[in-house]
Amino acid sequence: AQSVAQPEDQVNVAEGNPLTVKCTYSVSGNPYLFWYVQYPNRGLQFLLKYITGDNLVKGSYGFEAEFNKSQTSFHLKKPSALVSDSALYFCAVRAVSSGGSYIPTFGRGTSLIVHP
Amino acid sequence: DTGVSQNPRHKITKRGQNVTFRCDPISEHNRLYWYRQTLGQGPEFLTYFQNEAQLEKSRLLSDRFSAERPKGSFSTLEIQRTEQGDSAMYLCASSLAETEQYFGPGTRLTVT
Repeated sequence: AQSVAQPEDQVNVAEGNPLTVKCTYSVSGNPYLFWYVQYPNRGLQFLLKYITGDNLVKGSYGFEAEFNKSQTSFHLKKPSALVSDSALYFCAVRAVSSGGSYIPTFGRGTSLIVHP
Repeated sequence: DTGVSQNPRHKITKRGQNVTFRCDPISEHNRLYWYRQTLGQGPEFLTYFQNEAQLEKSRLLSDRFSAERPKGSFSTLEIQRTEQGDSAMYLCASSLAETEQYFGPGTRLTVT
């Protein structure tokens, strides 16, 4: 089965400290991986993606993610957290559906709380 | 602002009533997706269109749900004979091919 897992429901970090939000995946073939952020009462916003190329992907708002094929992980990182980064973060993987289409599958989300 | 709009933003309805939601995607995007999201969960895929063709429907999608995308532009999602379990946020997203998706703000449905 193709899936994506976010093992932490919540991540707490102090402002100015580095942050990591974890994501692991299971797909057949080469994965397309995405991170989205959801602020309260807003739709999901695209942060970054990995399709091919460098394992370290840079995205919006200073976020980056590292693709690790051997560990089947795609962890989201930021060197210095801001209080305004507090939001819900979703990892997604493009997976082949039963009908043969490529459909994104989302993780359950991780709530990031950055303390002043 | 992602450019995807959804209407209405909120809908409260009584059990058994029909509701219809609208999504206007980014104009040049040929793919349109509908998702359902409940508290503490990620978006759950419902259905998707490429242009006007509905190419995929989730097996979890009850036959009370129907979606259309006439002329490959806006899309509507209708839920007939609503049930309390239908209460959720309904998200629409659009994309170019199999790339990142751009989401609308969602329609929050409450079935009483």
